[in-house]
Amino acid sequence: HSRLTQPPSVSGAPGQTVTISCTGTSSDIGSDHSVNWYQQLPGGPPKLLIHTDTYRPSGVPDRFSAFKSGNSAFLSITGLQAEDEAAYFCQSFDSSLSGPWIFGGGTTLTVL
Amino acid sequence: QVHLQESGPGLVRPSQTLSLTCSVSGASIRSPDNCWGWIRQSPGKVLEWVGYIFFTGTSFTHLSLNSRFNVSADTSRNHLSLKVSSVSDADTAVYYCARCTPFMEGWFFDLWGRGTLVTVSS
Repeated sequence: HSRLTQPPSVSGAPGQTVTISCTGTSSDIGSDHSVNWYQQLPGGPPKLLIHTDTYRPSGVPDRFSAFKSGNSAFLSITGLQAEDEAAYFCQSFDSSLSGPWIFGGGTTLTVL
Repeated sequence: QVHLQESGPGLVRPSQTLSLTCSVSGASIRSPDNCWGWIRQSPGKVLEWVGYIFFTGTSFTHLSLNSRFNVSADTSRNHLSLKVSSVSDADTAVYYCARCTPFMEGWFFDLWGRGTLVTVSS
């Protein structure tokens, strides 16, 4: 079944800003369905990072932010820290019959 | 504090039925505020939702996974179950249970268990 498209990897030096893209279609992100982002540290389960496009759960640093435009969503991490090294997944809703949820393939962030 | 704990056999033979359990503590699965889902992650790290269930007992499974998957809940024991029949190599994955929470017009998985690894092999 269809998946949201993310770059396999991104990297940045400590203190820099990185942006991870998540591209969908007119059946999901483009239908104005909300986008959620999850962080998965090595060996651990996914953890909710951003929900409903832009909302940060309690405890998530404001270095993490997200926005949406057209068929795509973007996660931005400013002031990169070593502890941010993880896999990041986007998730949205699928208007097709197999729905309701679809995930991106994940992006591995390396802090140089 | 809400805690989700998955458990399963670890290894299952091809064509057999896989049974997984998710024990929930700190919250009732009968709460009308949430649903409870199963998501699996393949060895290649791809996440795929498998199914979910509401407090009413209504459950849904991913249509492309056909009818091999069944999600149920035991409210007396406050746990969820996932059964997968006729397993194959493609079902090898880490299986997570997670709480789904509604917000505005969407849903998100706000709490996850640590997952249980299932390997299908003869």
